[in-house]
Amino acid sequence: QSVLTQPPSVSGAPGQRVTISCTGSSSNIGAGYDVHWYQQLPGTAPKLLIYGNSNRPSGVPDRFSGSKSGTSASLAITGLQAEDEADYYCQSYDSSLSGEDVVFGGGTKLTVL
Amino acid sequence: EVQLVESGGGLVQPGGSLRLSCAASGFTFSSYAMHWVRQAPGKGLEYVSAISSNGGSTYYANSVKGRFTISRDNSKNTLYLQMGSLRAEDMAVYYCARDGEMATGEAFDIWGQGTMVTVSS
Repeated sequence: QSVLTQPPSVSGAPGQRVTISCTGSSSNIGAGYDVHWYQQLPGTAPKLLIYGNSNRPSGVPDRFSGSKSGTSASLAITGLQAEDEADYYCQSYDSSLSGEDVVFGGGTKLTVL
Repeated sequence: EVQLVESGGGLVQPGGSLRLSCAASGFTFSSYAMHWVRQAPGKGLEYVSAISSNGGSTYYANSVKGRFTISRDNSKNTLYLQMGSLRAEDMAVYYCARDGEMATGEAFDIWGQGTMVTVSS
């Protein structure tokens, strides 16, 4: 059971817009920690997609955007393309007795129909 | 080119040990904190361990605390993960990742290709 909750799967047709949610709590996202998003194409290592809630690293298309509100964050993908089919993970920090723990969401598989 | 290359994975018996390495190139390794993240077959990402840029601070997930040791040799631009008392649940692809520090809000901005650890008798 992941500390951050993501839907197991989402799907959309080429050209459409999809969103992936990442729901946390007052001890992680709601505590003000940044949320980062990673894309993992089939058979490859994860790649940083969004950092600091809404920032794109160089080279990431502006079709990808991130937002955060309260105890949740979202990743939006517009103009869906076949090459976007991948697993997507959110990541943040969780405040615990031992300090701050890095936490990942369980991942969301995006299928392009 | 900024790059991380893991090695050292393989087949090990339950209770055994293994040392993973992560060779860094293309950036000033000694300036960055580093992390290990693992992914069991067909599962999601699980955070394992972290080490500060100078090696003075380390962190371990509860699932590996007391069994794994993270270290680094900045003179060799290499990160290590010494794994002991291995269990079936430790079987996974192990990735090393660079902490992007302030530039990325401490997101993991560079990842290696991963090395597979199989725990089986």
